[in-house]
This record gives sequence, C-alpha cells and structure tokens, in this order.
Amino acid sequence: AQSVTQLGSHVSVSEGALVLLRCNYSSSVPPYLFWYVQYPNQGLQLLLKYTTGATLVKGINGFEAEFKKSETSFHLTKPSAHMSDAAEYFCAVSLSGGYQKVTFGTGTKLQVIP
Amino acid sequence: KAGVTQTPRYLIKTRGQQVTLSCSPISGHRSVSWYQQTPGQGLQFLFEYFSETQRNKGNFPGRFSGRQFSNSRSEMNVSTLELGDSALYLCASSPGQGFEAEMMPVLERGNEQFFGPGTRLTVL
Repeated sequence: AQSVTQLGSHVSVSEGALVLLRCNYSSSVPPYLFWYVQYPNQGLQLLLKYTTGATLVKGINGFEAEFKKSETSFHLTKPSAHMSDAAEYFCAVSLSGGYQKVTFGTGTKLQVIP
Repeated sequence: KAGVTQTPRYLIKTRGQQVTLSCSPISGHRSVSWYQQTPGQGLQFLFEYFSETQRNKGNFPGRFSGRQFSNSRSEMNVSTLELGDSALYLCASSPGQGFEAEMMPVLERGNEQFFGPGTRLTVL
C-alpha cells in the first residue's frame, strides 16, 4: 500500500522568502515521487519527479525537492517565492512507475504575500 | 503537440440526470485516467483505460463508468447524479506501459501524467 501526507493545507510566505512544502510518503517498495502544481481553474502540471538516481531533483520554475529515504520525505522547496507561485501543490507517489496507481496528497495551498 | 482537452469545461445538471464527459489525450498517448477533485476529498482516482480496456478502477459506485475508443479518446459517464457528484473532473493521459515503455531508459519509466483543464460539474 502507498500513501502520501502533506503537512499543512495552507502555507503563507512573503514574496522573496523561502518556500517549503512538506510531503511524507509511505510505501512498501521504492517509490516514484511527484510534485504537481494546480493554478485556479486549471489542471495539474508536473513540477518535478523522482524516479531513481540523484536524490535532489530540480524542476521547473525554480523548484526542487530532495528524496530522503531515511525520513520518507520528499519536501518541495524554492529559495525565493514569487507572486506567481501562488497555487495549490500536490505531492504524489506511485510504485515502480505504475502511474496509473498514483496516490495524491490532499494538497497545500500556497499564498504569497507581497 | 496539442495538450489534453476536455469538453465541456463547465456543466450544470440536476439530481437524477446523467452526464457524459469527454477527454482527448495527447496524440500517441494510450493511457487515460480520470480523477474527481473536491474540496473535501481532494483528488480521487476513478479509473484508467489503456488500449480500450479498463485497467484500474478506484472506489466509486457503479454509477460512474467510462470507456475508451480506438483513437484513445475517452468518455466518462455518471448516471443518476447526486449533489455530492459536484466536482472538478480531471482527465490525464500518458504514453502507457507496453512495448514502447519497456524500451525507454530506466529514468524515463516514471512516466508523468499530463492533465487536462478539467470539467467543472455542478449538480443542483
């Protein structure tokens, strides 16, 4: 079985501040991990994904995430928040690339304060 | 390539009616998944089709059904609509697992899903 927990349904940061969105997963086998972003009235867009190899993954729009097996975490970070980053972010896990069995977290809404 | 398209974008129905939503995947993609997104339940997996066959199914009642055509386009049908069916219905396509996927380098096997903009269904 697999599951994803996103800590904090709402996160507020000031423009220019560090963005940290937390994601912890549970998986019985090595997972594939994803972060998606959803802007209002739009579908989900992939930010980045971890499959194998380097544990620090860089994605689009300056975001990155680090896979930490010992902590079962895959937190999303960005050094400096922009107003355009305001959106909802979803962490997701699948087993061995079985994307059709992707399990999504409940989402974290990011608010960027000018 | 054109992205995933969903029609209609907005729909208003009344309880007891039925509705059909359509999804056109990215050209060449063979897998189509459907999700229901609500504020209370978040993103929930409905089902996935690959090569016209339902390959995976989530925990939804039989009122929710789907199908996929030979051109990979997919439809989702909800019968006897209930108020609680009001949601954003998202369709996602991906290349699909098969011979082609097995030829990909290992790093590419975490195939991403490409999402459409969704259909906002309101049940009154």
